[in-house]
Amino acid sequence: DTEVTQTPKHLVMGMTNKKSLKCEQHMGHRAMYWYKQKAKKPPELMFVYSYEKLSINESVPSRFSPECPNSSLLNLHLHALQPEDSALYLCASSQASSGAYEQYFGPGTRLTVT
Amino acid sequence: RKEVEQDPGPFNVPEGATVAFNCTYSNSASQSFFWYRQDCRKEPKLLMSVYSSGNEDGRFTAQLNRASQYISLLIRDSKLSDSATYLCVVNHNQGGKLIFGQGTELSVKP
Repeated sequence: DTEVTQTPKHLVMGMTNKKSLKCEQHMGHRAMYWYKQKAKKPPELMFVYSYEKLSINESVPSRFSPECPNSSLLNLHLHALQPEDSALYLCASSQASSGAYEQYFGPGTRLTVT
Repeated sequence: RKEVEQDPGPFNVPEGATVAFNCTYSNSASQSFFWYRQDCRKEPKLLMSVYSSGNEDGRFTAQLNRASQYISLLIRDSKLSDSATYLCVVNHNQGGKLIFGQGTELSVKP
């Protein structure tokens, strides 16, 4: 089963709110990822966790704060976002973070910042 | 120059047609190659990995030419359900970072 789940499916938040996106996988994968995708564009990598440690931060603003509580869970904490942060946020996982492994994506959270 | 380049399309083809997508990548150190498909407002789904020897999965055939740094995807006997955006994806083996092409939109018409 190559399933990655994400909650919530949709989120509308104001610029002063704090919210969190959640991602879960039960495939025993040891690498998990956050991507941001704007309309008609490919996904852009934000963060990579490998064995529960942050291994890549693609210079993402500090208003996005990732957390990996355990090997199955990945959170993205959001605070003081801007309207331009509205996008589809995708979580992915792979067996490991080396290049040979395919990444499997969750259905995403569609975020609107008002 | 983009690291991974694809023809953006759109490709509009009739059902039953054969359609080919091409992709080039700039980093000769790239190690892994994939095709993903993405339906409108959905997540990317892995279609197939691409191997040096070429690989086939039903109506889909992927080829890799490392010397030319070129990847292709051939879809035979296209179906209405093949309508989607096809993403060419390359991995340099830098900690799991995938490099995506801009995607090629395919529309299969009855």
